[in-house]
Amino acid sequence: NAGVTQTPKFQVLKTGQSMTLQCAQDMNHNSMYWYRQDPGMGLRLIYYSASEGTTDKGEVPNGYNVSRLNKREFSLRLESAAPSQTSVYFCASGLKRDIRNYGYTFGSGTRLTVV
Amino acid sequence: SQQGEEDPQALSIQEGENATMNCSYKTSINNLQWYRQNSGRGLVHLILIRSNEREKHSGRLRVTLDTSKKSSSLLITASRAADTASYFCATAYSGAGSYQLTFGKGTKLSVIP
Repeated sequence: NAGVTQTPKFQVLKTGQSMTLQCAQDMNHNSMYWYRQDPGMGLRLIYYSASEGTTDKGEVPNGYNVSRLNKREFSLRLESAAPSQTSVYFCASGLKRDIRNYGYTFGSGTRLTVV
Repeated sequence: SQQGEEDPQALSIQEGENATMNCSYKTSINNLQWYRQNSGRGLVHLILIRSNEREKHSGRLRVTLDTSKKSSSLLITASRAADTASYFCATAYSGAGSYQLTFGKGTKLSVIP
């Protein structure tokens, strides 16, 4: 089925390790987003990409980097993981010109634990 | 900082009853959206109401928006056990050439069979 695919679904890292979370969408959406969800905190925007070739910081960008590889793919990298980055990470996409009429499509999430 | 704040944080009702959740926000918006999240899953878009609309319906869902009070409500009528989930409001605004969504902390709804 069409949608947003995130890999991996689960990951355990040691403090200081690095990893990249992958996200791909097949809906020809322009905009892509990375959120983190922590208990009692709702979802907070980490980075977003309004269109291919552009990326911008969201509310909580520290400790993360992103790459908009092409229109389909938007990856999130943790260069040196910290326990504070233990969270569930969601990727989402949206069609920019239709965002006033339609919501985002979310992936199923990556549950990351940093020990 | 987060824009929307849902109220209540948790709600428990019997199957067949109506469930009402409220959302307040702080600044001007383009639209307001409601999402559902089942335990351990991603968010699913339910309904969107634009800033120039006051009420919208979709199946058993009814959403209202009062921009003067900066508040919205989501009503789920004739609730079912399958409606058990967390519900989030999200406010959309334009910034840096892209629309962004800012989410509240959610209302956890439990529907008891």
